[in-house]
Amino acid sequence: TQLLEQSPQFLSIQEGENLTVYCNSSSVFSSLQWYRQEPGEGPVLLVTVVTGGEVKKLKRLTFQFGDARKDSSLHITAAQPGDTGLYLCAGVYGNKLVFGAGTILRVKS
Amino acid sequence: AAGVIQSPRHLIKEKRETATLKCYPIPRHDTVYWYQQGPGQDPQFLISFYEKMQSDKGSIPDRFSAQQFSDYHSELNMSSLELGDSALYFCASSLAGQGYGYTFGSGTRLTVV
Repeated sequence: TQLLEQSPQFLSIQEGENLTVYCNSSSVFSSLQWYRQEPGEGPVLLVTVVTGGEVKKLKRLTFQFGDARKDSSLHITAAQPGDTGLYLCAGVYGNKLVFGAGTILRVKS
Repeated sequence: AAGVIQSPRHLIKEKRETATLKCYPIPRHDTVYWYQQGPGQDPQFLISFYEKMQSDKGSIPDRFSAQQFSDYHSELNMSSLELGDSALYFCASSLAGQGYGYTFGSGTRLTVV
């Protein structure tokens, strides 16, 4: 079982649509991170959220950390084909980063 | 800006052979992590080092070992390779402490034939 449950697993949408990816856990995390990974490459850090209730914006991407620090969401506004990729949430558990199973996003033009 | 450097980028080995993967972390990052990612899977934590000392251990087989050297580079040694060891192996580095993200290398793709 995954410590971090991500949903949906797959998402295929049209250019211009909005979407939200969810990351949930029964455990409390000191911080949660979101990464984007291209095929055959390492994950690239998008954002780290630390404070419960925190909201961070990165252009068209909005990240939220739940008040109880057990969940997070990634919202993309007006998705573009360049947003296509694997999105991973990750949390520091003990001294290591554990990942969710990821969400594969495909944005069609 | 300097990133995490991994070598080699690709490696093909036969069953029962040995492989050594190298990682050069970002300068001044004090923590190094190794991850294994199978096809269609999320990265799985193997082992980490803080200031050259092993700090945590995950699902790393006994056939694997790792160390961090005085210049902070790290090596993952894999012996008696099995077909199931074929995967992407990532190294990441960070500063210790809450709120610091990890910087991942581009990975080494190991194929065992």
